[in-house]
Amino acid sequence: AQKITQTQPGMFVQEKEAVTLDCTYDTSDQSYGLFWYKQPSSGEMIFLIYQGSYDEQNATEGRYSLNFQKARKSANLVISASQLGDSAMYFCAMRAPTMDSSYKLIFGSGTRLLVRP
Amino acid sequence: DTGVSQDPRHKITKRGQNVTFRCDPISEHNRLYWYRQTLGQGPEFLTYFQNEAQLEKSRLLSDRFSAERPKGSFSTLEIQRTEQGDSAMYLCASSPAEGGEKYNEQFFGPGTRLTVL
Repeated sequence: AQKITQTQPGMFVQEKEAVTLDCTYDTSDQSYGLFWYKQPSSGEMIFLIYQGSYDEQNATEGRYSLNFQKARKSANLVISASQLGDSAMYFCAMRAPTMDSSYKLIFGSGTRLLVRP
Repeated sequence: DTGVSQDPRHKITKRGQNVTFRCDPISEHNRLYWYRQTLGQGPEFLTYFQNEAQLEKSRLLSDRFSAERPKGSFSTLEIQRTEQGDSAMYLCASSPAEGGEKYNEQFFGPGTRLTVL
């Protein structure tokens, strides 16, 4: 069974600095995908970035990049040049197959990031 | 706004009462998912629809829970005889069957926060 572990319940970062949020995963599948979502206090889940297990390059989306280390089963999110609006909960997730060709998401417990001015 | 919408946003009920939540997915999305998020945790998968067919249910979905998507558009989640342990955020997500992106991103709604007194 798939499992996601986020060991940092809370993190602080100074505005304009970079921060790394940790995520480790466990799966027996050879093909898998990893996601990061942001959840502000308003509650909606906002997709940030995706990494496929066969992707040769680390995924990047603007200020977000994913440090994917397959052998270590880690998929850490790096946020560069932190902004006050980055303060939120961040969830790492893995796709798990459903009965058809779709998938469901298995989430970690999240990391609360607070950006200090 | 053409995103996923959920109604109501907040629901307070007394133990033993029945409640029903509604989710309207993005119009062209035929896949719809329900997740539950308890305080301090990541979302957990509840159930999944492809059009009107309910293809997968989590063991978290007890006999008191029922979900429908009668015409393959909006979906309802009903909880009968609510218990205090049902207090949580109920999130709905939708995705296209074949997306332009290889991962077929799930788009989340703002959630319905249920409080059972």
